[in-house]
Amino acid sequence: GENVEQHPSTLSVQEGDSAVIKCTYSDSASNYFPWYKQELGKRPQLIIDIRSNVGEKKDQRIAVTLNKTAKHFSLHITETQPEDSAVYFCASPNNAGNMLTFGGGTRLMVKP
Amino acid sequence: GAGVSQSPSNKVTEKGKDVELRCDPISGHTALYWYRQSLGQGLEFLIYFQGNSAPDKSGLPSDRFSAERTGGSVSTLTIQRTQQEDSAVYLCASSLSGHPETQYFGPGTRLLVL
Repeated sequence: GENVEQHPSTLSVQEGDSAVIKCTYSDSASNYFPWYKQELGKRPQLIIDIRSNVGEKKDQRIAVTLNKTAKHFSLHITETQPEDSAVYFCASPNNAGNMLTFGGGTRLMVKP
Repeated sequence: GAGVSQSPSNKVTEKGKDVELRCDPISGHTALYWYRQSLGQGLEFLIYFQGNSAPDKSGLPSDRFSAERTGGSVSTLTIQRTQQEDSAVYLCASSLSGHPETQYFGPGTRLLVL
C-alpha cells in the first residue's frame, strides 16, 4: 500500500519567516495530494491540495509544490503568523484511490 | 449546511466496559471514515465505508473494535472490553464518493479509559 513520510515532525519559526514541510510517497500512480491543518483541540481541515498535472499551486501565503519524478511534495507558508501554528498533515491516495494515507504530521510553532 | 457531527464529545469509562461512538456524516456523503488520534500523534485509519459496499476494516487494531453504518448514513464505532491504550480521540470524516481528498472531519470523541 501507499506509504507517506513527512518531515520535520516539529518546526519552530519566527513570525514573518517562511516554513516548509516535506512529504514523500511511494505509489507512483498517486495523482492528488491534499494538506490538512489541525489547530490545537480542533478537527483537521483541508487547506489546499495539488493535482499531478501541475507542479505548483498557490493560495495567498500558502503554496504546494510537487515533484512526481522524485515522488515528493511540499507545503510552503510565507510570512508566517501566530495563527499558522498548528499540526499539518500531508496525504496521498491509496492504490484504489478511495482512501487517504496520511503523513505523521508536522507541529508548526510560529513565535511572535 | 450541517457538518459532520459526533457524539458523545467526551467519554470516560472504566477498563473492561464497552463503548459506542456515533458519527453523523454530511448528508449525501456516501464515504465515511473512522480514525484514531492518540495524544500528539497522527491520524490512524480504522475503517472505511462506501455506500452499500463491504467496509474496509483493514485498520481496526483488534477484534474488540467493530463498526457499522446503518442505512448508508449514521455510523457507530464500538469498542468492547476497553483497555487503557484505547484512550484517544476518535475522529470521523465523510466525503463524496470518489473524492477522499476532500474529507470533512467531525469534532471527534475524546475517550478516556481509566
